[in-house]
Amino acid sequence: NAGVTQTPKFQVLKTGQSMTLQCAQDMNHNSMYWYRQDPGMGLRLIYYSASEGTTDKGEVPNGYNVSRLNKREFSLRLESAAPSQTSVYFCASSDRETDYEQYFGPGTRLTVT
Amino acid sequence: GENVEQHPSTLSVQEGDSAVIKCTYSDSASNYFPWYKQELGKRPQLIIDIRSNVGEKKDQRIAVTLNKTAKHFSLHITETQPEDSAVYFCAASAPGTYKYIFGTGTRLKVLA
Repeated sequence: NAGVTQTPKFQVLKTGQSMTLQCAQDMNHNSMYWYRQDPGMGLRLIYYSASEGTTDKGEVPNGYNVSRLNKREFSLRLESAAPSQTSVYFCASSDRETDYEQYFGPGTRLTVT
Repeated sequence: GENVEQHPSTLSVQEGDSAVIKCTYSDSASNYFPWYKQELGKRPQLIIDIRSNVGEKKDQRIAVTLNKTAKHFSLHITETQPEDSAVYFCAASAPGTYKYIFGTGTRLKVLA
């Protein structure tokens, strides 16, 4: 099993450009999450999807949109990138029905200039 | 909403000594408390977790204790080794919310 995969690994954008971060999991988990990690700030929840067909805002949703494409895939879109969105983005998944453990993807390092 | 505070932000110990990291949470309904280790440039990885029906859990050199009344939980690492050097995060989650709220992390340095 690959677990949680993310693409791309690195990305540089200019202010105002748009992009979509992709995430997929092969563990048949119901719940998926997007976090951003800034130095000294820990992991902050952007959006989550408790189950296929639902999405909800987390702590820092402004400037982002998400799509739960199917049970496996959960994408994060930046419509108009800003330098404040420079961060490392982690996708995660869990199955709250059987086990609370969250599994993280390898991360995407995004720089907005 | 839930808030998790973590202390200290940095911790240096001599190899072989013990390290303790503490977290407090605000939502008394929280029932799941994981600890993650993150090495430089890597993803967070679960090292130990505890549910609210248990007061202590051990796994070799790592232990977690939970005080529900005081709403705090702690990570204990004994006989520290250089490979324990990393950033450690605590988190809390309440049933029905699906969310995990993380502390701000502790950078642990084990000095050889």
